[in-house]
Amino acid sequence: QLVESGGDLVQPGGSLRLSCAASGFTFSSYSMNWVRQAPGKGLEWVSYISSSSSTIYYADSVKGRFTISRDNAKNSLYLQMNSLRAEDTAVYYCARDRGAAAQYFDYWGQGTLVTVSS
Amino acid sequence: DIQMTQSPSSLSASVGDRVTITCQASQDISNYVNWYQQKAGKAPKLLIYDASNLETGVPSRFSGSGSGTDFTFTINNLQPEDIATYYCQHYDSLPCSFGQGTKLEIK
Repeated sequence: QLVESGGDLVQPGGSLRLSCAASGFTFSSYSMNWVRQAPGKGLEWVSYISSSSSTIYYADSVKGRFTISRDNAKNSLYLQMNSLRAEDTAVYYCARDRGAAAQYFDYWGQGTLVTVSS
Repeated sequence: DIQMTQSPSSLSASVGDRVTITCQASQDISNYVNWYQQKAGKAPKLLIYDASNLETGVPSRFSGSGSGTDFTFTINNLQPEDIATYYCQHYDSLPCSFGQGTKLEIK
């Protein structure tokens, strides 16, 4: 099970930290991703982190503003979001990756809503 | 970046029908395509991986095919619970990306 939290209403330029708590599987054995969905829109991959945190990737749209991290001891995944823009408004999902790098998203959380607005 | 063009954007079909959705990649991506189902207000669910492999627990009325640039997702014997939006996804290279989605409705 994956449970996201931390979504909120934030002003443009603000910051937010999302969390994803994992249970029911060996979290430290799996790569993880963040995928977002703007209201009424499709899915957009945001970021990837390998099981050991040694490899990290970002979509160009968030590079330099967002930071993905994980704490395997706490079975938790994080997304630090800085310099937020209106276009970052979306439901953010954490998704387990059964593959190597943003390949198979086989388990998803329920999502947490981030709204960027003044 | 590789683009996935999915069609149609919406379709309406009757219970028992066969439904087909297509995705075209902007370049050859071998069989590196997955298909997801997203019901209203829910997270996506992986149905098909590697273009044609059925995820464990997914009903056999769902299937996928294709390789290279052209991919097809099929639902045989459409059921009322299949109402959802369906997305293709490529993972040939980063960034992975999704098709625009196909919203399926029951007539």
